[in-house]
Amino acid sequence: EVQLLESGGGLVQPGGSLRLSCAASGFTFSSYAMSWVRQAPGKGLEWVSAISGSGGSTYYADSVKGRFTISRDNSKNTLYLQMNSLRAEDTAVYYCAKELTGDPVGTGDAFDIWGQGTMVTVSS
Amino acid sequence: SYVLTQPPSVSVAPGKTARITCGGNNIGSKSVHWYQQKPGQAPVLVIYYDSDRPSGIPERFSGSNSGNTATLTISRVEAGDEADYYCQVWDSSSDHSYVFGTGTKVTVL
Repeated sequence: EVQLLESGGGLVQPGGSLRLSCAASGFTFSSYAMSWVRQAPGKGLEWVSAISGSGGSTYYADSVKGRFTISRDNSKNTLYLQMNSLRAEDTAVYYCAKELTGDPVGTGDAFDIWGQGTMVTVSS
Repeated sequence: SYVLTQPPSVSVAPGKTARITCGGNNIGSKSVHWYQQKPGQAPVLVIYYDSDRPSGIPERFSGSNSGNTATLTISRVEAGDEADYYCQVWDSSSDHSYVFGTGTKVTVL
């Protein structure tokens, strides 16, 4: 069964850092581009960042550029999101999502598999 | 940046047809994907590349895309279709980003 499982969320103070992980199983992880998508409480979906299957290409939303870093370890079938300089407006459920057809990233593909999400709360 | 506009809400009686629009500048030139999200759950892909259905999604779900509007159509609506629906495209302009629509709450009367 294809599955994504996020972890690493929690409560952090403004200006702090957090690293999210997404463990993948049931498919050839390195063959698929992956993304992080977030959803603030009561709000809509917002794409955060994407990475190619090899990890060589990355994209970021303007709202997180320079503060967040996406990466992956294909030997561990794991996707990461390093979040620095966190702000209150980063409070959200963070989902990892797999692209439907694979690679490369940035071709307009759909997200066919989503994790259950991990909650990040930025508050003092 | 590219903007996708959806109506905040659509109400439909059981057995009738719901149409959810997604407006964007020349969206007909882009590939549009649609997601269903029920409360407390992760989104589920229901339509990809304008009109294709993933396995397991009922034939009642269909999509179209032309000009400045993409449309998700749910025929013979059931109570279980009540959810939020989001459209999504890839913006290949200078932003290079995935863009989600504002979302539509479908209420089954």
